[in-house]
This record gives sequence, structure tokens and C-alpha cells, in this order.
Amino acid sequence: GENVEQHPSTLSVQEGDSAVIKCTYSDSASNYFPWYKQELGKRPQLIIDIRSNVGEKKDQRIAVTLNKTAKHFSLHITETQPEDSAVYFCAATDTGNQFYFGTGTSLTVIP
Amino acid sequence: EPEVTQTPSHQVTQMGQEVILRCVPISNHLYFYWYRQILGQKVEFLVSFYNNEISEKSEIFDDQFSVERPDGSNFTLKIRSTKLEDSAMYFCASSRVMLEQYFGPGTRLTVT
Repeated sequence: GENVEQHPSTLSVQEGDSAVIKCTYSDSASNYFPWYKQELGKRPQLIIDIRSNVGEKKDQRIAVTLNKTAKHFSLHITETQPEDSAVYFCAATDTGNQFYFGTGTSLTVIP
Repeated sequence: EPEVTQTPSHQVTQMGQEVILRCVPISNHLYFYWYRQILGQKVEFLVSFYNNEISEKSEIFDDQFSVERPDGSNFTLKIRSTKLEDSAMYFCASSRVMLEQYFGPGTRLTVT
């Protein structure tokens, strides 16, 4: 089955700096890669996703890049704010029937 | 904006007891999922459900687990005989187009 690895496990940045979280996957059949933000004690929320026919997608301060050849995708957050502090999970799926999640990155934005 | 809802928010049960976790997916969604998250760990897939049958299940989803959509709105997860290691947060999710999942707030299950 698919194996998704995520790095780093923790990340601290100064407010206003950029944050980058990276994930790798093993199954070349995976074609949909969502990112979720989970604040403490709350539900995971979909923040951005990318399909395998696209190399990059951007939504305001958040962007995701995908390298199918290398089987890795990354989340980029620019101009970080304290409210960006949360745990971020990447995931991958091929059919949408089963999603494989990364181990999460705890992002802390220091004011 | 419609949201997935789950009840109860917290369930405490004794080992060996049966529990039913309930979810109300977003009304026009067709694909339903259950996940669990042990405290501080990653989200783990349990099962997906479409057209009144299981689409996929993980190795975690053994014979102790079952899912049901008893009516047009509810989606339930039953654990027949709970074990201590079943203690976790259980999330329901739904999607309209089989990819963009929306998660419920979770049910924290504590098995004592």
C-alpha cells in the first residue's frame, strides 16, 4: 500500500516568515494530494489540494507544489501569522476510497 | 455553510461493551469515511462507504467494526466489543465528489 512520510515533525518560524512542509509518497498511482490543518482539539480542515495533472496551486498565502517524478509534494505558507499555528497533515490517494495520511507537522508561528 | 456533525462528542465505555458512534454527513454528499486518531498521532483511515456498501477498509477495520447508513442522513460506526486500544478520537468525513473530504468534529472514545 501507499506510504506517506512528512517532514519536519515540528517547525517554528517568526511571524512574517515562510514555512515549508514536505511530504513524500511511494505509490505512483496516487493522484490526489490534500493538505489539512488541525487546530488543537478540533477537526482536520481541508486547506488546499492538488491533483496529479497540476504542478502547482496557490490560494492567497498558501501554495502546494507537486513533483510526480520524485513523488513529493510540499505546502508553502508565506507571511505566516500566529493563527497559522496548528498541526498540518498531508495525505494521498489514488481512487479516493482510501486516504493515507502523513504523521503531521506541528507549526508554531512566533509573534 | 453545511458541516458534518457527530454525536456524542465524548463517549466513555467499559472494555467489552459495544459502542455506536453517529455521524450526519453533509446532505448532498455521497461518499462517507471513518478515521481514527490516537492522541498525538496521525489520522488513520478505517473505512470508506458508497452506495450502501463498503468501498475500502484498512487492516484496523476488523470484525469488531461495522458501519451502517440506517437512513438517508445518518452514518454509524459500531465497535462490538471495545478494547483499551480503541481509545481514540473518531472522525467521520464525507465528500460529494469522492476527493474533497470534509471532517466532522470527532467523537472522543475512552475505553476503561
